[in-house]
Order: sequence, then structure tokens, then C-alpha cells
Amino acid sequence: EDKVVQSPLSLVVHEGDTVTLNCSYEVTNFRSLLWYKQEKKAPTFLFMLTSSGIEKKSGRLSSILDKKELFSILNITATQTGDSAVYLCANSAYSGAGSYQLTFGKGTKLSVIP
Amino acid sequence: KAGVTQTPRYLIKTRGQQVTLSCSPISGHRSVSWYQQTPGQGLQFLFEYFSETQRNKGNFPGRFSGRQFSNSRSEMNVSTLELGDSALYLCASSPGGTALYGYTFGSGTRLTVV
Repeated sequence: EDKVVQSPLSLVVHEGDTVTLNCSYEVTNFRSLLWYKQEKKAPTFLFMLTSSGIEKKSGRLSSILDKKELFSILNITATQTGDSAVYLCANSAYSGAGSYQLTFGKGTKLSVIP
Repeated sequence: KAGVTQTPRYLIKTRGQQVTLSCSPISGHRSVSWYQQTPGQGLQFLFEYFSETQRNKGNFPGRFSGRQFSNSRSEMNVSTLELGDSALYLCASSPGGTALYGYTFGSGTRLTVV
């Protein structure tokens, strides 16, 4: 059974700190690894990673994938209170008939205090 | 460009009743997936529709069903509601029908079963 494990489950940091969120996975027919940020309702897309060792960056956020060791990390530098959210890692795998399925981890709840 | 629209936003139903939730994907997106989010289980895949056909289904009982119309709008139905069906139901659309393009989520329907 496909599995995605995120750690830590929750994290409290002060503004300005740098955080690293972890995501490990066991999945067959892997296609891509995705990160989402969920503040209230709709998860919003952050990154999609398909190739190992290539870092993706967007402002203070960056992410990298290691397909050999089956994990990904999401880094947030100079954290702000607006970064407080649940960060979800999801694995996309081919499930047949042209369909791809996302398997999500339980998420990491990040709280940034002033 | 309008996002993914889910209606209603909130719903309260009684055990044993049935419910229908609606999702309008981003214009031009042909793939619609449904997910159930609960505090204990996180985000779990329900099913995916593409061009009016169900291509994939998660491990949920037959009480959960769905359909997609020719305009790509989708509905999901839950019959004989149970207390455990209380959850946030999220719909996600994708342009190319594969998760390689990533998914855009709607804000969800919060279902409470009493």
C-alpha cells in the first residue's frame, strides 16, 4: 500500500527562523511529489518535483526531491506569521486507465509566533 | 480565471439521510478528483472523473458515488449517512487529466452528520 509520512507533525518557531519539513514515501509507479499549503480550506499548490536533486524555489520556499532515498524536504527561510499553516506532501502515482492518484501525508502544522 | 467552485460550503445532515455535493472545475479542466479530509485520516482519495468516466476509485464503501457531466462539472453523493462521514470534502481539478499537471483544489464542503 502506498504510504507518505511527514515529520514533524507539528512545529512552533519564531519569526525569522528557518524550518525544514520532511516527507518520505513508499509508492509504486511514482510520477511526482507535490507540496501544498493549507491555511483554512483549500490546499494551495507550492511545488511539483519529478526529478531527483533539482531544487525548486519560490521566494523564501524551496524544495528538493531524492528519488533514491525516497524523500523530499521543504525549506522555509526567514519565516513569517503568514507561513503558519498545514503543509501537505503528496505523492502522485499512476494507477492505471490513464489515471494518477495523489496519496497525501498527514501534514505538518507549522505555527510561527512573532 | 475562476477557480474551483464547490457548493454548498457547509451542510448539516442527519444520520441515514443522503447528500449531494457539487464541484465546478476550472474552465478547460477535464479531470475532477474528490478527497475526504478528516483530522484522523488526513486527505483520502475518493474517486477521479475524466470526460464523464470514473477512471479511479479509492477505498470507500459503495455509499460514496459520483458522476461528471459533459461540461466537466461533477457531483458526489453519499447515501445513508453515518456519523463518521463528517468531514471536509475537497474537489480538485486538473487540466490534462493527469497528476503530472498538478491539481487545483476548491475550498471544500464541510459536511456535519448529526
